[in-house]
Amino acid sequence: SQKIEQNSEALNIQEGKTATLTCNYTNYSPAYLQWYRQDPGRGPVFLLLIRENEKEKRKERLKVTFDTTLKQSLFHITASQPADSATYLCALDKGSNDYKLSFGAGTTVTVRA
Amino acid sequence: SAVISQKPSRDICQRGTSLTIQCQVDSQVTMMFWYRQQPGQSLTLIATANQGSEATYESGFVIDKFPISRPNLTFSTLTVSNMSPEDSSIYLCSVEAGGPETQYFGPGTRLLVL
Repeated sequence: SQKIEQNSEALNIQEGKTATLTCNYTNYSPAYLQWYRQDPGRGPVFLLLIRENEKEKRKERLKVTFDTTLKQSLFHITASQPADSATYLCALDKGSNDYKLSFGAGTTVTVRA
Repeated sequence: SAVISQKPSRDICQRGTSLTIQCQVDSQVTMMFWYRQQPGQSLTLIATANQGSEATYESGFVIDKFPISRPNLTFSTLTVSNMSPEDSSIYLCSVEAGGPETQYFGPGTRLLVL
């Protein structure tokens, strides 16, 4: 069966450190993978998209890698700040060419000042 | 980009009743989706709301339980019918807009069924 697994535990880190989140998937062949941020009581907000032929993507303090052989994406928040505290979701396209997404359960990150 | 609003933002309902959730977008969009997010779980796609035709439902979701309307390119409704406590969840609409494969989400509707 298809599965998307993110870090099972919440991540607590000190301000200024790098947070690294993992997204592993099985029985998917995604053309792209996305990362979203979700704050309590709000809908997810799109952060980054990385395609199957891309190894790495950066946006400001965020970096995403995508290894289709390992079936894994890593999401890094460098120089973390308390404002980065949120739940981060990875999402894969369902491979049906119609923009449908499958989401992981998310990893909650808390950045301590 | 797209700005999405949902109504109501939250509701408490009695079992056996139905609730209709509205989703309004500030621009015309082709693709509109409805998701459910149960407590502590990931978002699950319910259906794609198609303008001018019936919605396309994902496995495990049926039209009788979750009828969807999409009268135009900026508006959709999702009805949760004959509710039970298991339907307590956050319901979110999203649209694909502003760039390939990028989805924008509404703030969600928190539903509690007693």
